[in-house]
Amino acid sequence: DGGITQSPKYLFRKEGQNVTLSCEQNLNHDAMYWYRQDPGQGLRLIYYSQIVNDFQKGDIAEGYSVSREKKESFPLTVTSAQKNPTAFYLCASQGGLTNTGELFFGEGSRLTVL
Amino acid sequence: GQNIDQPTEMTATEGAIVQINCTYQTSGFNGLFWYQQHAGEAPTFLSYNVLDGLEEKGRFSSFLSRSKGYSYLLLKELQMKDSASYLCAYLDSNYQLIWGAGTKLIIKP
Repeated sequence: DGGITQSPKYLFRKEGQNVTLSCEQNLNHDAMYWYRQDPGQGLRLIYYSQIVNDFQKGDIAEGYSVSREKKESFPLTVTSAQKNPTAFYLCASQGGLTNTGELFFGEGSRLTVL
Repeated sequence: GQNIDQPTEMTATEGAIVQINCTYQTSGFNGLFWYQQHAGEAPTFLSYNVLDGLEEKGRFSSFLSRSKGYSYLLLKELQMKDSASYLCAYLDSNYQLIWGAGTKLIIKP
């Protein structure tokens, strides 16, 4: 079945550590996105990529980094420079022949900094 | 600019009807989405409106008025499983999604 997979689902990190969240899709979508979700707030865009080997900063890119070496994969690294990394992270993809702009989301990764 | 607003929380009774409103202000608009999100899970697509009017899909309907910058999601015959957050988001002139904070819907028996 086609879909988008995030891992891990839950992750704990000590302060000062970098962590990488995985996002893989087999939908053949060109565009991929990383969002952060905090209680009481809308989804906030961290980074997005519309094509392999190219990505753009979103509204809250500071303290995060990404890569897009393959169409299927868009990993997000939360660096020690991110001051408040505890959040729910959502990866999404967009595209296809019937593209109406709909995003397909992974199940999310919940990061907790201890 | 980017401005989108929806109520924080609503409560309704099982079997009833509820309307969740979303207002937005933007200089560029390419459609509006509604997503459902259960606690701790990913959002799932409900509807997309790009033209004015009502789109019906089973128990759920979505309405758009572009001139008023207004949309609503109508849920009929409410079930307990409809307890979730409902997110509205519009596509701006750059085809980027701008998200509201979500409306938490509580269904009571």
